[in-house]
Amino acid sequence: DAKTTQPTSMDCAEGRAANLPCNHSTISGNEYVYWYRQIHSQGPQYIIHGLKNNETNEMASLIITEDRKSSTLILPHATLRDTAVYYCIVSAGGGSNYKLTFGKGTLLTVNP
Amino acid sequence: SQTIHQWPATLVQPVGSPLSLECTVEGTSNPNLYWYRQAAGRGLQLLFYSVGIGQISSEVPQNLSASRPQDRQFILSSKKLLLSDSGFYLCAWSPEMSQYFGPGTRLTVL
Repeated sequence: DAKTTQPTSMDCAEGRAANLPCNHSTISGNEYVYWYRQIHSQGPQYIIHGLKNNETNEMASLIITEDRKSSTLILPHATLRDTAVYYCIVSAGGGSNYKLTFGKGTLLTVNP
Repeated sequence: SQTIHQWPATLVQPVGSPLSLECTVEGTSNPNLYWYRQAAGRGLQLLFYSVGIGQISSEVPQNLSASRPQDRQFILSSKKLLLSDSGFYLCAWSPEMSQYFGPGTRLTVL
């Protein structure tokens, strides 16, 4: 799997949008971009994934650059409960090939 | 809806003792199943994954083993625990394109 680079930590004010960047310059054509988050002392939680097109669900939006070398996870209105470590992962996905390699992620702290 | 269970939630074991952690998934069939470990202050490390009953793939050599006796049951075992086995053990299941994690077992080896 390709490796990703994320900032170690970020801060965001409550109610504002949180934009978390991720670089994955060696991503292969068949690899998806996944985002997970881990709130302290809990298991990781799936947020969103995408291949080429931008994606949106009830939790977040995922913006992938045209060359697919970077992406941004957007939490449109961050709350205190969004404080967590956010992991950007690239993986080929599907069947027995679907394995996730978690890096150190970005610690997002949402401040009141 | 699908639910994943792990037990026990916490466990304190002496060095050299055996280990058995259980994970079960409800509401789905033939899921991919995974065991991860997160040591204190470190990232998640994939230990084992399974694509079906009796099919186990090991990612990291260690004194742990995994078994899948039933479609929706995944067990992590050790015959003799080491201090370095302490950590947060997470089971996950995957329908296709994402993984869903259980609540985890916090293991302390003394």
